[in-house]
Parts: sequence; structure tokens; C-alpha cells
Amino acid sequence: SQQGEEDPQALSIQEGENATMNCSYKTSINNLQWYRQNSGRGLVHLILIRSNEREKHSGRLRVTLDTSKKSSSLLITASRAADTASYFCATARASGYSTLTFGKGTMLLVSP
Amino acid sequence: NAGVTQTPKFQVLKTGQSMTLQCAQDMNHEYMSWYRQDPGMGLRLIHYSVGAGITDQGEVPNGYNVSRSTTEDFPLRLLSAAPSQTSVYFCASSYNRGETQYFGPGTRLLVL
Repeated sequence: SQQGEEDPQALSIQEGENATMNCSYKTSINNLQWYRQNSGRGLVHLILIRSNEREKHSGRLRVTLDTSKKSSSLLITASRAADTASYFCATARASGYSTLTFGKGTMLLVSP
Repeated sequence: NAGVTQTPKFQVLKTGQSMTLQCAQDMNHEYMSWYRQDPGMGLRLIHYSVGAGITDQGEVPNGYNVSRSTTEDFPLRLLSAAPSQTSVYFCASSYNRGETQYFGPGTRLLVL
């Protein structure tokens, strides 16, 4: 079963604009991670945020986590055509030694 | 470091045939896992291993076998291929099951 669900399923923007993707989950988590997948390639880890953190930055990426709403957002600022990819959130449940559960992803298209 | 490597990149099987998908990592990670990715379904965990000699089932284990005789290698065996196993298969590794995972490039499998 899917623990994380991304929204929107697809997003189309122009270069230079900001892109925001959201992830909602159902149960308490230890951490939440975001991954990028370029077409036909493997997933690449972007950022990990732990349950006791509210915000993390990495370059043009900003991730927020609201554990009370069981949601996270990924903001990509000043998007580039090279950011075109699918973005997945993955959660590690707080109970026991949890494996990661991935959502279905958001497909981002950045047009020049 | 090569990271996570997978072979083959592409494979076509006939129903009922068996094959082994190879996965190796050179990062000395204890945790390794196999996922399948189908359109609109995200990534689903097939099997995982927390160390040599230790394996466990994920969300969709039926029709697949795994073994872990060394830290580096984690092969996935399809015992009797079925068209429902047509998918893209990803191997991943990490130092712990709920932490950042490093993905291989994937194996595209078509079962006729």
C-alpha cells in the first residue's frame, strides 16, 4: 500500500519559475525523503528530513515537513529545463525498523 | 566507486522461462533491496536484505526469490516468468533500511 501520495500528478512550468510538489502520508514517520528520476534512469536521492525537523535546504531545493498535517512539500526555485523529471517522496515509518515506502510521483516538465 | 550496478539492462523472456537479475554494490552497505516500477504505481518493494545471509519479503514478493551470500551481491531470481512481471526493476542499497538509498540504473524486463 502507498504510504506517501504526491500532488499534483503532473506539473508544467516555464524556466525561471518555482515548482512546488506536495506529499501526504498516513502514519507517523521517522523520516521523509525526496528522490528525482530522469526518464529511463534510476532514482537519485535529493534530500532527507527527519520527523523532528521542519525545514531543510539544499541548493535550489527547500523541503518542509508538517508532522501535524502529515505532509511535506518540495520547492524547486528558479527551475531549469534540466529539472524536468519525476519526483518521488518516500517515508520510513516510525514503528520498528521500517523499509521505505514510495509514492507514485509528480512528473515535472520545465519548458525553456 | 561504481555505486550500484545492475545487469542486464534489457531482457526479453518467454512465459515460463527463468532468469536472474544481478545487482552489486561497492559501498559496503548492509541493506539492499529490489523494487519494481510499473506505470502509475510508483516503486514497490519486492525483497530486501539487512546483511549477508538475511533476507525478507517486501510488498510484492510472489514469483521472486533472493539470496545474499556476500555483502556486495543481491541477485533477484524469477522462477517462472509471467507477463505480469513485465516491469522495470531497480536495486538499491543503503547503510540502513530507512535511510538514504542509492539506486542502480535499472533492468527493463519484457515477458511475452
